Amino acid sequence: DTAVSQTPKYLVTQMGNDKSIKCEQNLGHDTMYWYKQDSKKFLKIMFSYNNKELIINETVPNRFSPKSPDKAHLNLHINSLELGDSAVYFCASSQVSGRGELFFGEGSRLTVL
Amino acid sequence: SQQGEEDPQALSIQEGENATMNCSYKTSINNLQWYRQNSGRGLVHLILIRSNEREKHSGRLRVTLDTSKKSSSLLITASRAADTASYFCATDAGQAGTALIFGKGTTLSVSS
Repeated sequence: DTAVSQTPKYLVTQMGNDKSIKCEQNLGHDTMYWYKQDSKKFLKIMFSYNNKELIINETVPNRFSPKSPDKAHLNLHINSLELGDSAVYFCASSQVSGRGELFFGEGSRLTVL
Repeated sequence: SQQGEEDPQALSIQEGENATMNCSYKTSINNLQWYRQNSGRGLVHLILIRSNEREKHSGRLRVTLDTSKKSSSLLITASRAADTASYFCATDAGQAGTALIFGKGTTLSVSS
C-alpha cells in the first residue's frame, strides 16, 4: 500500500485552464502539506493542514486553493493556470505538525502551455 | 528565512568513493533532516539529527551537526551507483504552525 498517493502524476494543460491534484495518506497522520518544486529542484512550502484546519498559507496566489475534506485527504485546485505554475507539486504528511519525518508522494508534474 | 544551502550543488564520484555534502542554515533549529530524491520520484527521509546531537550514523550514512556554525554534513561512505540522486537538508524551528524548510539540494552522480 502506498503511504502517500497523489493523482494525477502528469498534467499538461493550456494557460487559463483550471486543474486539481488529489492527495491521500493512509498513515493516520494529522498533518498534510503541499510543496512546489521548481525546475531548479527548489522545494517551497505552499500549504499545511492539521486535522483539516489550514495552519500554513505561504505567499501563494489565491488562484491556488487547498481543500481538506478529512485528515487523510488534501487536494489542491488551481484556477486560471499560468506558465509560471509549471512545476512538480508534492503532497506530504507528518505525524506532528512542523517537525519530524515527512512522507512524500511521488509528485504531480504540471506543465502549462 | 532559515532556508538551508547545500554545497556543492553537484558532485560526481566513482563507485566506492565517499561523498560529502554540506548544508548551512540561518536560524535556530529544533532538528535537521536529510532527504534523498531519485530522479522523477518523491523525497525519502534518510536521517534526523536533533539540535543537541553532534553526530549520527545510519548504515553507510554519517551526519554531523554544528549548531555554532549552523551547518551540517552528510557523508555517504563506499558509494554505489544506486546512491545517484539529489540530497536535501531540511530544518525545522520546532514551532507549531511551521513546516520543514528545504535547502536547494546537492545532485550526486556515482559512476561505476
